Amino acid sequence: EPEVTQTPSHQVTQMGQEVILRCVPISNHLYFYWYRQILGQKVEFLVSFYNNEISEKSEIFDDQFSVERPDGSNFTLKIRSTKLEDSAMYFCASSVTSANEQFFGPGTRLTVL
Amino acid sequence: AQSVTQLDSHVSVSEGTPVLLRCNYSSSYSPSLFWYVQHPNKGLQLLLKYTSAATLVKGINGFEAEFKKSETSFHLTKPSAHMSDAAEYFCVGLMNTGFQKLVFGTGTRLLVSP
Repeated sequence: EPEVTQTPSHQVTQMGQEVILRCVPISNHLYFYWYRQILGQKVEFLVSFYNNEISEKSEIFDDQFSVERPDGSNFTLKIRSTKLEDSAMYFCASSVTSANEQFFGPGTRLTVL
Repeated sequence: AQSVTQLDSHVSVSEGTPVLLRCNYSSSYSPSLFWYVQHPNKGLQLLLKYTSAATLVKGINGFEAEFKKSETSFHLTKPSAHMSDAAEYFCVGLMNTGFQKLVFGTGTRLLVSP
């Protein structure tokens, strides 16, 4: 069964460093998303992406964040200069259409020291 | 749904007894609602979804949920809990803002004792 994959599973970085979180969505899906879950808090929407552009973003997704689909399979989330409060589990998701259910990857746990 | 509220942060049951995880939603239009499960150190797995067809929705692993518009509820149930059901469960709504984004409840941790 096809699944969303994410790498790395755990990333540790120093405050101020850039990180890139990688995701491979399900191959025939057209809509891509990033969510995050700070420890002990609810899962929050960050951004949705369709047709090579951001379709919607939350107030969390400020200028420090960017997303890219560099090739036909990968979907990345870049945090330009990490802050302590960026420490969280980041989930990638994809869907066939905007109305279909979203399939989630296993997540990347980002720890900012 | 514009918001979802999970009424219990923790629910404890014994193996073999029924499970009830409660969720209420707020929406100004006909919502799409989902239940996702998250096992420790795992990703989010879709259990079931409601998209304005049958109000009683059956999902995987024996779970089901009933959409009740009059009560604005979408509670998750299972007749008999299994140890492997112990996990975090999220009630999730789909916000129709042109491009869909999911709105998560705060989650309910289900504990199953032998």
